[in-house]
Amino acid sequence: ELKVEQNPLFLSMQEGKNYTIYCNYSTTSDRLYWYRQDPGKSLESLFVLLSNGAVKQEGRLMASLDTKARLSTLHITAAVHDLSATYFCAVDETQGGSEKLVFGKGTKLTVNP
Amino acid sequence: NAGVTQTPKFQVLKTGQSMTLQCAQDMNHEYMSWYRQDPGMGLRLIHYSVGAGITDQGEVPNGYNVSRSTTEDFPLRLLSAAPSQTSVYFCASSRPRPNSPNSPLHFGNGTRLTVT
Repeated sequence: ELKVEQNPLFLSMQEGKNYTIYCNYSTTSDRLYWYRQDPGKSLESLFVLLSNGAVKQEGRLMASLDTKARLSTLHITAAVHDLSATYFCAVDETQGGSEKLVFGKGTKLTVNP
Repeated sequence: NAGVTQTPKFQVLKTGQSMTLQCAQDMNHEYMSWYRQDPGMGLRLIHYSVGAGITDQGEVPNGYNVSRSTTEDFPLRLLSAAPSQTSVYFCASSRPRPNSPNSPLHFGNGTRLTVT
């Protein structure tokens, strides 16, 4: 059974600082996602990571994947208030099949002025 | 583009009542799925479908039924609502992986269900 663990679950940081959110998963998978959710809203796709060593960047967010370590990171550079949200990683428990995602519990990020 | 549309947005039920949560997508996606989101639990898969006429169970299927008669629609039925089914329900869709390996799940705006 695939398990996905995120840490930290809560993160309070100051504007301008850097930080990393970690996502560990327990069994082999060939696809990992990062999503953002604002309070009361739906989930917005940030990154899809497919292969070992994959790195993707969008603005102040950069995601990477190490399939051997079963670890993905979401790095935040020079945080701004607009990045305050809950971030989820999700791992596809099937390989080459349907999209059965197992989600982490989410990291609630608060960026303080 | 409408994307994934869920109705209703809010619903209050009494224990034992039944209802159907509607989900429709206009992107011609083959894969559709239902997740529930509870505080501190992330999202958990209820049922999913890889195409019209094909459905399967996810992690937490008990108390829910689904059907997929068309590519566009994937309704979720609560047979006899229980307070434990109080949650936010999200429908999602995506393209089949061989055609679009980088395609993420697209989520609807959610249905907030309270069972009293």
